[in-house]
Amino acid sequence: DGGITQSPKYLFRKEGQNVTLSCEQNLNHDAMYWYRQDPGQGLRLIYYSQIVNDFQKGDIAEGYSVSREKKESFPLTVTSAQKNPTAFYLCASRVTAGVTEAFFGQGTRLTVV
Amino acid sequence: AQSVTQPDIHITVSEGASLELRCNYSYGATPYLFWYVQSPGQGLQLLLKYFSGDTLVQGIKGFEAEFKRSQSSFNLRKPSVHWSDAAEYFCAVGARGTYKYIFGTGTRLKVLA
Repeated sequence: DGGITQSPKYLFRKEGQNVTLSCEQNLNHDAMYWYRQDPGQGLRLIYYSQIVNDFQKGDIAEGYSVSREKKESFPLTVTSAQKNPTAFYLCASRVTAGVTEAFFGQGTRLTVV
Repeated sequence: AQSVTQPDIHITVSEGASLELRCNYSYGATPYLFWYVQSPGQGLQLLLKYFSGDTLVQGIKGFEAEFKRSQSSFNLRKPSVHWSDAAEYFCAVGARGTYKYIFGTGTRLKVLA
């Protein structure tokens, strides 16, 4: 079945450490996204990528980094510069031709301990 | 600036009762409009979408939504709620000509048996 796989589902990080969240899709979608979700704040865009080897900052990119070396993969690194990283992170993808909706993965809950 | 407002943070209904979740948007042209549902700890699932044409759109799980341009609204409705509908619901706007989506802050639905 086609879909978006995020791993791990739960992740714990010590303060001062970098951590990478995985996002893989087999939908053959060109565009991929990372969102952060906090209670009562909806989804906020961290980064998005329209094609391989290209990505743009979203509204809250500080303290995060991404890469897009393959069409299927869009990993997110939460760096030690992110002051409040505890949150639920969602990856999404969509086709770029025409008007379409985004498809979401099941999310990764990151907790700083 | 583009924005999406979901004025109700929490809504409680009895099983079998009708449901209407409100969504208002601010956008300079006709937007793409979406409703997503999220169960706790899960990703977002698309319920329905509006791109153009008939302003009353049907979705999955018995949901429908009506686009009202004069009111800048896209309210979600269901004639009879089931206990399994308890979840958080997000309205979203897709900006034409970009790959970005703007999400509301969500409405959490509780269903009483």
